Amino acid sequence: QSALTQPRSVSGSPGQSVTISCTGTSSDVGAYNYISWYQQHPDKGPKLIIYDVSKWPSGVPDRFSGSKSGNTASLTISGLQAEDEADYYCCSYAGRYTHYVFGTGTRVSVL
Amino acid sequence: QVQLVQSGAEVKQPGASVKLSCKASGFPLTNYFMHWVRQAPGQGLEWMTLLLPGGQNTLYAHNFQGRVTMSRDTSTSTVYLELTSLRSEDTAVYYCAREAAVVAKYFDYWGQGALVTVSS
Repeated sequence: QSALTQPRSVSGSPGQSVTISCTGTSSDVGAYNYISWYQQHPDKGPKLIIYDVSKWPSGVPDRFSGSKSGNTASLTISGLQAEDEADYYCCSYAGRYTHYVFGTGTRVSVL
Repeated sequence: QVQLVQSGAEVKQPGASVKLSCKASGFPLTNYFMHWVRQAPGQGLEWMTLLLPGGQNTLYAHNFQGRVTMSRDTSTSTVYLELTSLRSEDTAVYYCAREAAVVAKYFDYWGQGALVTVSS
């Protein structure tokens, strides 16, 4: 099972919006609404920021939003802040044989 | 509060085995799916295995079939990951993670990670 495809990097100025795509197949992203997103700062463990495509865990600001269309999920960060500079990974449930697949990861830079 | 505290870094020779631990607190381990995910240096996350709440059934990624064993000790609220026949490509940070609820399909708490270095 191949990793989901994400852009290697995206960047934006403070206050701007950036969107990260996460492209899979009809066996993972396209098949289930079990899409989650994780933020990872350098030398830290991942932190859940979106689950079930577009839901927020407690404590995560609504500047982070998720969506899905077909085989592609997306994470949008609105009102970009310096602390948003991190790596972001999508994850999809992929059924009873593959189970879970992560994205390749995207580095978000705040200019 | 929920915490997952992992054992420390390990250095192993090729062909050896490693057993990592992840001590859970703040929630009943027997009520949750627990997972292991790894991250090679400079690379992305890779799902490895999960243990069902009953503690008897595990599921593995195809890449690790036959080399990975996940287990649990309910008396100490600890889950374990054993990886055998280590090779240089297994050098990675290994994370334990909790699935948020039965059939949640996402990971709400993560351990701090444990670096395993495989080198001769």
